[in-house]
Amino acid sequence: DTGVSQNPRHKITKRGQNVTFRCDPISEHNRLYWYRQTLGQGPEFLTYFQNEAQLEKSRLLSDRFSAERPKGSFSTLEIQRTEQGDSAMYLCASSLAQRFMEAFFGQGTRLTVV
Amino acid sequence: KNEVEQSPQNLTAQEGEFITINCSYSVGISALHWLQQHPGGGIVSLFMLSSGKKKHGRLIATINIQEKHSSLHITASHPRDSAVYICAAQPVIQGAQKLVFGQGTRLTINP
Repeated sequence: DTGVSQNPRHKITKRGQNVTFRCDPISEHNRLYWYRQTLGQGPEFLTYFQNEAQLEKSRLLSDRFSAERPKGSFSTLEIQRTEQGDSAMYLCASSLAQRFMEAFFGQGTRLTVV
Repeated sequence: KNEVEQSPQNLTAQEGEFITINCSYSVGISALHWLQQHPGGGIVSLFMLSSGKKKHGRLIATINIQEKHSSLHITASHPRDSAVYICAAQPVIQGAQKLVFGQGTRLTINP
């Protein structure tokens, strides 16, 4: 499968714990996006990378959230001291910079904070 | 008010019916996407439009730039079309680097 891959697919964690999600984009894609989707809502932009550079962060991305793309390939999204409000689907997408409107999405990681 | 609004939020129909989902947006856009999301969460891009009309199989997407409105139509609907359909705008003002999503329309097609 050469699409966008996200792991894990599901994560249940206790409030206050740290969690980390991983996204592997399509190999030749230099753009990588993170979105968050709460129940019954459309996805909301969190952040995006071009290669290893994080070019934009939404104000939704509080200081408990950090995203990295150390080698310009896979990316991780870490949430520290999770809160129940962090429960959501976290979606990753990738694209070529020159064709940034043609984003391909992963299956998402569903986080439940109990 | 959201920059991208979809209607209806929920739609239930019988197999074979013609389906229309509407999307209105308030910002200038360079393109509009229609996406399909199945219960597992993964999103598949159906169409990307900047003008006119596109057709793929039983799916048709139209956009009216002047009216800032787009529609997704499904002809001869089938239970496997049941999913959440999301429109997403690529805003011009915000540097066109990310998508702004509608809240989605949950479509259920009964056999």
